[in-house]
Amino acid sequence: AQSVTQLGSHVSVSEGALVLLRCNYSSSVPPYLFWYVQYPNQGLQLLLKYTSAATLVKGINGFEAEFKKSETSFHLTKPSAHMSDAAEYFCAVSGGSNYKLTFGKGTLLTVNP
Amino acid sequence: NAGVTQTPKFQVLKTGQSMTLQCAQDMNHNSMYWYRQDPGMGLRLIYYSASEGTTDKGEVPNGYNVSRLNKREFSLRLESAAPSQTSVYFCASRQQTTGAAETQYFGPGTRLLVL
Repeated sequence: AQSVTQLGSHVSVSEGALVLLRCNYSSSVPPYLFWYVQYPNQGLQLLLKYTSAATLVKGINGFEAEFKKSETSFHLTKPSAHMSDAAEYFCAVSGGSNYKLTFGKGTLLTVNP
Repeated sequence: NAGVTQTPKFQVLKTGQSMTLQCAQDMNHNSMYWYRQDPGMGLRLIYYSASEGTTDKGEVPNGYNVSRLNKREFSLRLESAAPSQTSVYFCASRQQTTGAAETQYFGPGTRLLVL
């Protein structure tokens, strides 16, 4: 069985501040991990994914995430928040039969001017 | 490429009515998925189709049926809608060549309100 826990359902930062969105996973097999972003009234868009090639993964829009096996974590960061980063972010883990995605409950990011 | 398309964008139903949500992808993907999104719950898998001609239950299949019409299309049917099925429904697809690392691509969603 696999699961994802996203710590903090709502994170608020100031424009220009560091963004840190936390994700911890549980998986009985080596995991593949994904971060998706959802802008208001839109579908989900892939930000980045970990596929075991490198532990530090760079994605779109300046985001990156580091896979830490010892901590079972895959936290998402961005050095400097922009107003356009305001959205909901979902962490997901893939594995099991037919490689279904299991999603966390999401973190809503608010960026204050 | 349009990617993954869904129709309708928005629908209001009365309790007991039926409807079919349509999904199509033009990326020649093998696998297709239906999710529902509820506030504070993330996305939960309703049904999926690993390949044309196969379908299987996900985490929350009760009250739904699906049809994989061909490789492109995967529909979700509510036979007798209930207020608990008020949600946003997302269709997704993925290629199934290298396995679990393949990205799922999502449609724009269908917002369903059941009164």
